[in-house]
Amino acid sequence: DAGVTQSPTHLIKTRGQQVTLRCSPKSGHDTVSWYQQALGQGPQFIFQYYEEEERQRGNFPDRFSGHQFPNYSSELNVNALLLGDSALYLCASILQSSGNTIYFGEGSWLTVV
Amino acid sequence: DQQVKQNSPSLSVQEGRISILNCDYTNSMFDYFLWYKKYPAEGPTFLISISSIKDKNEDGRFTVFLNKSAKHLSLHIVPSQPGDSAVYFCAASPYLQGAQKLVFGQGTRLTINP
Repeated sequence: DAGVTQSPTHLIKTRGQQVTLRCSPKSGHDTVSWYQQALGQGPQFIFQYYEEEERQRGNFPDRFSGHQFPNYSSELNVNALLLGDSALYLCASILQSSGNTIYFGEGSWLTVV
Repeated sequence: DQQVKQNSPSLSVQEGRISILNCDYTNSMFDYFLWYKKYPAEGPTFLISISSIKDKNEDGRFTVFLNKSAKHLSLHIVPSQPGDSAVYFCAASPYLQGAQKLVFGQGTRLTINP
């Protein structure tokens, strides 16, 4: 049973560049959320995707956008990168209709220089 | 506005003793609470949860207590083992099913000493 998988695991980008992070949900799950975890902090909710639409959004600027594909996988895009975007980006998945346990992937470490 | 707070950044406990991790919240709309454990270079791993209709939930060595009037929950680990050394996050959600928008505390680093 494949858990939540994310790619890439680590990447370094320059200020002003754009980045795309990818996530495959746990088998059987249809809803994906993205979180940002800065060093020494708890994860912060970015947004949630269900049925290929953004359903909920946290307090993040429009530079953060996403997409969900028909196979339930998802992408997180961040434009015009800032140094403060350096963080661990976590993907989480759940079955919308009946699930109450959210499973997380191992995350993608983004460093902006 | 920190809606979920873990006021102890770190905790050190002797192996075999009880570890108690605390969490406070301010939003009375929160209906569902979870504890996650995180090792370095790994994603958070679900440990145990509790809904607001209960005041206690137990799973093996882990027990979560919820005091709604005080807006406080705690995680008890008995007995503590070296493998329990990790960062523990408390999280809350206003939803039970399909809960996705979790609000996390800052985490508590638990160290179990042999």
